[in-house]
Amino acid sequence: EAQVTQNPRYLITVTGKKLTVTCSQNMNHEYMSWYRQDPGLGLRQIYYSMNVEVTDKGDVPEGYKVSRKEKRNFPLILESPSPNQTSLYFCASSPYRATNEKLFFGSGTQLSVL
Amino acid sequence: DQQVKQNSPSLSVQEGRISILNCDYTNSMFDYFLWYKKYPAEGPTFLISISSIKDKNEDGRFTVFLNKSAKHLSLHIVPSQPGDSAVYFCAAIGGGADGLTFGKGTHLIIQP
Repeated sequence: EAQVTQNPRYLITVTGKKLTVTCSQNMNHEYMSWYRQDPGLGLRQIYYSMNVEVTDKGDVPEGYKVSRKEKRNFPLILESPSPNQTSLYFCASSPYRATNEKLFFGSGTQLSVL
Repeated sequence: DQQVKQNSPSLSVQEGRISILNCDYTNSMFDYFLWYKKYPAEGPTFLISISSIKDKNEDGRFTVFLNKSAKHLSLHIVPSQPGDSAVYFCAAIGGGADGLTFGKGTHLIIQP
């Protein structure tokens, strides 16, 4: 089954403790992206990757890192999480960044930073 | 400054009637628009899209209308069904940005 898989689904952590949210897609997609969803703010892009070893900042990259060593994986790293990073995170992928291409989203990771 | 705006946080419609969800945008360079649907505890899923060279696109019960001069698009659902209850996000591509620019979403509630 074609899908984007994120782990974990739920995560509670404390300020400053490094964490990684994994994302994997099995569709051989070139383009991958991370979004966060906050009440009243909708979905905002954090980072994206057009291909292996190519990553770029989105609208809200501060406090986050990503890597794209393999085509299928695009982990999101919070080196020193803070409470304002408490949010619902979505990973997404698409075959290529074309003007009419649809994103496939994972099921989300609910992160709480205490 | 938000470039894609959904000004109605929620909308309640009776089952069987028409649901109309609205979206406005400010960036005239956007060239493609999409609607995503999101259920609780799931990721958004693609619903329907429209290119800026068209003014209407239809797919079953779902129709999207684009008014470029007004920078406005709308999603019509006819007839509305209980399974349509979800949050709907309007999104746009282009305008010099990579990736999709999303609106804040509208929570559609279909009343029996």
